[in-house]
Amino acid sequence: EAGVAQSPRYKIIEKRQSVAFWCNPISGHATLYWYQQILGQGPKLLIQFQNNGVVDDSQLPKDRFSAERLKGVDSTLKIQPAKLEDSAVYLCASSLVPGSIYGYTFGSGTRLTVV
Amino acid sequence: QKEVEQNSGPLSVPEGAIASLNCTYSDRGSQSFFWYRQYSGKSPELIMFIYSNGDKEDGRFTAQLNKASQYVSLLIRDSQPSDSATYLCAVHNTDKLIFGTGTRLQVFP
Repeated sequence: EAGVAQSPRYKIIEKRQSVAFWCNPISGHATLYWYQQILGQGPKLLIQFQNNGVVDDSQLPKDRFSAERLKGVDSTLKIQPAKLEDSAVYLCASSLVPGSIYGYTFGSGTRLTVV
Repeated sequence: QKEVEQNSGPLSVPEGAIASLNCTYSDRGSQSFFWYRQYSGKSPELIMFIYSNGDKEDGRFTAQLNKASQYVSLLIRDSQPSDSATYLCAVHNTDKLIFGTGTRLQVFP
């Protein structure tokens, strides 16, 4: 079974620029998550999709972050404009169903550096 | 109070010893609990999950859950240098997985 695919692996941008990340979940996984992991901290949930609908985006900074999952498969996360504090690893994860007791499978992440 | 709390460490143990990693959580309604291992620069990988009170063993790993005390732990027996990583405790809360900050484990030869 192919894992969760993410791209790019690394991105360096200047503050106030925009950036987009892409994620393709495990085939058949209806639930997709974007997490932000700042160095030295645990992952923080930004947004959760069930198929192509948003289930939870309560911690997404909506003034600058947006995400979509138009066809219920792959997803993009965008930041515009970026701030220095957005420097982090952005992790995409998927699960067969929400609340799966088997947990989530994570992609390799995108490391964003804002300078 | 944070939803999921862990001591950030580092926890240093000699090779062959038992490493004990602890986690507390605030929501009594939480149903399932996970331990993820994260090597430096890598993404988290699931190593154990538990949802019933008591112990669950898988090879060198044992997860322990005490819902009354809102406490979950991970024991690693016969620790190896390859076990050196950050261990993240995660708790399911209304279909969201909430992570602690992780405990860094160092196993020295």
